[in-house]
Amino acid sequence: GQNIDQPTEMTATEGAIVQINCTYQTSGFNGLFWYQQHAGEAPTFLSYNVLDGLEEKGRFSSFLSRSKGYSYLLLKELQMKDSASYLCAVMDSNYQLIWGAGTKLIIKP
Amino acid sequence: DADVTQTPRNRITKTGKRIMLECSQTKGHDRMYWYRQDPGLGLRLIYYSFDVKDINKGEISDGYSVSRQAQAKFSLSLESAIPNQTALYFCATRAPGDVNEQFFGPGTRLTVL
Repeated sequence: GQNIDQPTEMTATEGAIVQINCTYQTSGFNGLFWYQQHAGEAPTFLSYNVLDGLEEKGRFSSFLSRSKGYSYLLLKELQMKDSASYLCAVMDSNYQLIWGAGTKLIIKP
Repeated sequence: DADVTQTPRNRITKTGKRIMLECSQTKGHDRMYWYRQDPGLGLRLIYYSFDVKDINKGEISDGYSVSRQAQAKFSLSLESAIPNQTALYFCATRAPGDVNEQFFGPGTRLTVL
């Protein structure tokens, strides 16, 4: 079966760095997406990785290792507004997105 | 104005009632999707459509039906609502091409009593 695993909840301090991990087992791989979702709101796109390595976009970076079925989202200089759920999703061989349950990130002052 | 809109935003209904959730988009995308989101679970695909005459079942289509009335409109119906269909429902669109991100509407919170 297809499976995406990410931690349910993480807590970090304002100004710090946090890494949110995602492991996956899917039938085929056509890229991995990270989305941010504030409580009660729509998910919004953060990043896309299809090749191994690190993609940096401002305070957010996303890493992929296809051989390990592993990705992480790195958030630097955390701000209170970063409190949200972070969703990992893999595009499978049929170009459909398989979604993880999301990681709720709590930022403390 | 929002690119992807959903109506209603909130709905409370009773078991056995027919419900329609509507989605409209101004992004000009051909691909549209309906998902439901439940606490502790990932987004689950209900139906998707790549064009007006194209309708495809997703992971959890039982108990739901859809209509793609135009490229910009994609409606989700619950013919006879049941309590375990209580969830947050999202519509999403995607541009042509195999790998592009999806853009989500604001969601409809549906409660079936």
